[in-house]
Amino acid sequence: GAVVSQHPSRVICKSGTSVKIECRSLDFQATTMFWYRQFPKQSLMLMATSNEGSKATYEQGVEKDKFLINHASLTLSTLTVTSAHPEDSSFYICSAGAGGMDTGELFFGEGSRLTVL
Amino acid sequence: KQEVTQIPAALSVPEGENLVLNCSFTDSAIYNLQWFRQDPGKGLTSLLLIQSSQREQTSGRLNASLDKSSGRSTLYIAASQPGDSATYLCAVKRGQAGTALIFGKGTTLSVSS
Repeated sequence: GAVVSQHPSRVICKSGTSVKIECRSLDFQATTMFWYRQFPKQSLMLMATSNEGSKATYEQGVEKDKFLINHASLTLSTLTVTSAHPEDSSFYICSAGAGGMDTGELFFGEGSRLTVL
Repeated sequence: KQEVTQIPAALSVPEGENLVLNCSFTDSAIYNLQWFRQDPGKGLTSLLLIQSSQREQTSGRLNASLDKSSGRSTLYIAASQPGDSATYLCAVKRGQAGTALIFGKGTTLSVSS
């Protein structure tokens, strides 16, 4: 199956700093990638849809100025948590579908655990 | 707005039992449905993908069924093992390209030896 890689897998930062998380499709091109967040013992909540070469589409209640998404190439999307605060501590996970395949299957990265002190 | 519900929220069974996890969704206009497994603190492992035109998919001890018209899917696990202990997530997709998966809250399964 297609492989999606995230980096870093874990990051600890101080309150007020910014953190960038990368999501790469390793063996396919992805016009669209999706960013989710997951709080402890909760399900995955869609944050935004990342579109290559255009602005991301954010879900209701997600601050676009706080969670900056850049999808500059067909294999890389980045999520930057700006001025992070402890309440931003969460598990962030990206997904992408392999272009050209008609199954509509989405593949997920390993996730990035953010802890803001 | 699509909503996905999974019942039960948690389930404990002894090793060897067959079990069924349930998933329901409010909007039957789906493209496909995926079942995932998530171990504590880890990412997602895709288990089965069912297209909207399909009724079921099987992989080893796992069998997933889909009744699109009634908005239901089940995941059947045969002869459960302690290694099956994890959270199982059901997710539906509305369209082919450019649409995200909408997840249920999951069922946390514990299989005791």
